Amino acid sequence: AQSVTQLDSQVPVFEEAPVELRCNYSSSVSVYLFWYVQYPNQGLQLLLKYLSGSTLVKGINGFEAEFNKSQTSFHLRKPSVHISDTAEYFCAVISDTGRRALTFGSGTRLQVQP
Amino acid sequence: GAVVSQHPSRVICKSGTSVKIECRSLDFQATTMFWYRQFPKQSLMLMATSNEGSKATYEQGVEKDKFLINHASLTLSTLTVTSAHPEDSSFYICSARGQGILANYGYTFGSGTRLTVV
Repeated sequence: AQSVTQLDSQVPVFEEAPVELRCNYSSSVSVYLFWYVQYPNQGLQLLLKYLSGSTLVKGINGFEAEFNKSQTSFHLRKPSVHISDTAEYFCAVISDTGRRALTFGSGTRLQVQP
Repeated sequence: GAVVSQHPSRVICKSGTSVKIECRSLDFQATTMFWYRQFPKQSLMLMATSNEGSKATYEQGVEKDKFLINHASLTLSTLTVTSAHPEDSSFYICSARGQGILANYGYTFGSGTRLTVV
């Protein structure tokens, strides 16, 4: 079985400040990791994904994440946030075997303040 | 890029009626589609997985007779909420996975359907 833990339900931050959204996963097999963003009453948009290779993954909108196998983490970072980054962010995982359905974390609400 | 169209975006129905939600892959063939349910301020919970031409696989606790899923073609999957009740009110989101390179863990999400049962 696989699971995802997002440690922070809400993260308030001032505009132009850096931010890190934390994600830890648990799985007995190899995993592939994703970050999605959701704006109110909308579906999910893929920010970035880690499948293999370099552990530092760059995504859209200036976001990046680093896969750390020893710490089973995949934290999302952005060096300078904008008001428009205010949204819900979900970390998700797929194991190397099984149904290939995404398992989502509980989400982190990023609130960017002026 | 891959686009998934989900309709309707919002629907209000009376208790006891049925509602159909459509999910279409517009520019690719979706071999597998997933249906999720999201309660306010909560994460997405997988309801079922559907493969084109076969029966859907439901997650534990999801009533297959209440949430009917049909995946009759490679571009269309439907979710029908039968005999809807207020507790079925939720945000429903579909996700499609394509063939070939898109199957390399490329998942595209619909924009979601806000169902309100009154």
